[in-house]
Amino acid sequence: GNSVTQMEGPVTLSEEAFLTINCTYTATGYPSLFWYVQYPGEGLQLLLKATKADDKGSNKGFEATYRKETTSFHLEKGSVQVSDSAVYFCALIQLMNRDDKIIFGKGTRLHILP
Amino acid sequence: NAGVTQTPKFQVLKTGQSMTLQCAQDMNHEYMSWYRQDPGMGLRLIHYSVGAGITDQGEVPNGYNVSRSTTEDFPLRLLSAAPSQTSVYFCASTFDRGTALGGEQFFGPGTRLTVL
Repeated sequence: GNSVTQMEGPVTLSEEAFLTINCTYTATGYPSLFWYVQYPGEGLQLLLKATKADDKGSNKGFEATYRKETTSFHLEKGSVQVSDSAVYFCALIQLMNRDDKIIFGKGTRLHILP
Repeated sequence: NAGVTQTPKFQVLKTGQSMTLQCAQDMNHEYMSWYRQDPGMGLRLIHYSVGAGITDQGEVPNGYNVSRSTTEDFPLRLLSAAPSQTSVYFCASTFDRGTALGGEQFFGPGTRLTVL
């Protein structure tokens, strides 16, 4: 079956540090891959996406590359800010007639210290 | 546009009680879905709908019913609440299956449900 595994948190970094949050997946076929961010008390927001192998998604300084050979979609940012503190979810989506799969990882809480 | 609205924000139930979580959107979105979020877990898909009159089961449908009589509304019913259903529930919508595949869902603010 489909699944998403992402690194356990919390992750605590100092401002301007380099960030990596690991995400790997298992799926039949070719899913699309996503990173979402959740700020306290809010619903999820789409951060970036990649729909096929070797695609790179990017937004707000965050990047992730769809690696089919390693079944990974790791999130990176070169210099984090305090405002990046949130919970990050890796997800895969595979829509099949009457059997849509939208699978989220467990989330990684990120704390950025000033 | 109000976006995706959910009511109530908080609810406490006793085991065996029934209730309906309301979800509405005013963006003329065809695709709507319900998720539950538990501590240390990601969101898990309960039910979804690709349009009025059509609903399908997600990953964790047991104990929940849905209906979609209008494009705007997608209520989630708990017929006999159990402590295992204590969770935060999110409703989401997007234009159609194409935008759902693109991950571009609008999430509501959530309903925090406690079952004693």
